[in-house]
Amino acid sequence: NAGVTQTPKFQVLKTGQSMTLQCAQDMNHNSMYWYRQDPGMGLRLIYYSASEGTTDKGEVPNGYNVSRLNKREFSLRLESAAPSQTSVYFCASPRQGTGNTGELFFGEGSRLTVL
Amino acid sequence: KQEVTQIPAALSVPEGENLVLNCSFTDSAIYNLQWFRQDPGKGLTSLLLIQSSQREQTSGRLNASLDKSSGRSTLYIAASQPGDSATYLCAVTPSPSGTYKYIFGTGTRLKVLA
Repeated sequence: NAGVTQTPKFQVLKTGQSMTLQCAQDMNHNSMYWYRQDPGMGLRLIYYSASEGTTDKGEVPNGYNVSRLNKREFSLRLESAAPSQTSVYFCASPRQGTGNTGELFFGEGSRLTVL
Repeated sequence: KQEVTQIPAALSVPEGENLVLNCSFTDSAIYNLQWFRQDPGKGLTSLLLIQSSQREQTSGRLNASLDKSSGRSTLYIAASQPGDSATYLCAVTPSPSGTYKYIFGTGTRLKVLA
């Protein structure tokens, strides 16, 4: 049971290049989120998907697009990368239904550097 | 707007000490509060989840308490060990709307000295 899996783990881009971060969860959860983590600023929500086929903006959506491909997969795309997007990106998914409803599970992170 | 604060930002203690990490939030209308551990270069691992109707949760040497009315939570670590060295983050989510959009504190970086 892998939980939440992110790829790639590391990526270096030049300004203006594009790339997609992939996330998959095998816990059959409805919701999936993308956060970014920056020193001194904590984790900030970029986009989220409450269920398959829906996506919504979070706190810092500018410069990003997302796709909820199916219930398992939620991708984050940088169309034209900027140095300000250098960060660690985390995908997360909350438990829903029985038990610890709302407990948030995270992937290992994707470390992106934009030169 | 909900804000979550964790003080101190860093803490260094000798092995064996009992310690308390603090988390405060500005809006008491929360649904869940969750404590996480993050090791360097790794993702966040869930430690304890406290639902709004609960006052505390325990797991092994960890005990988390919640006082919604005062906007505070504490994470108590008993008999600290060097392996407890990590960054500890708390996060709150507002009343449920089908999503759990957690707001995070910036964490307390703990170092337990052998």
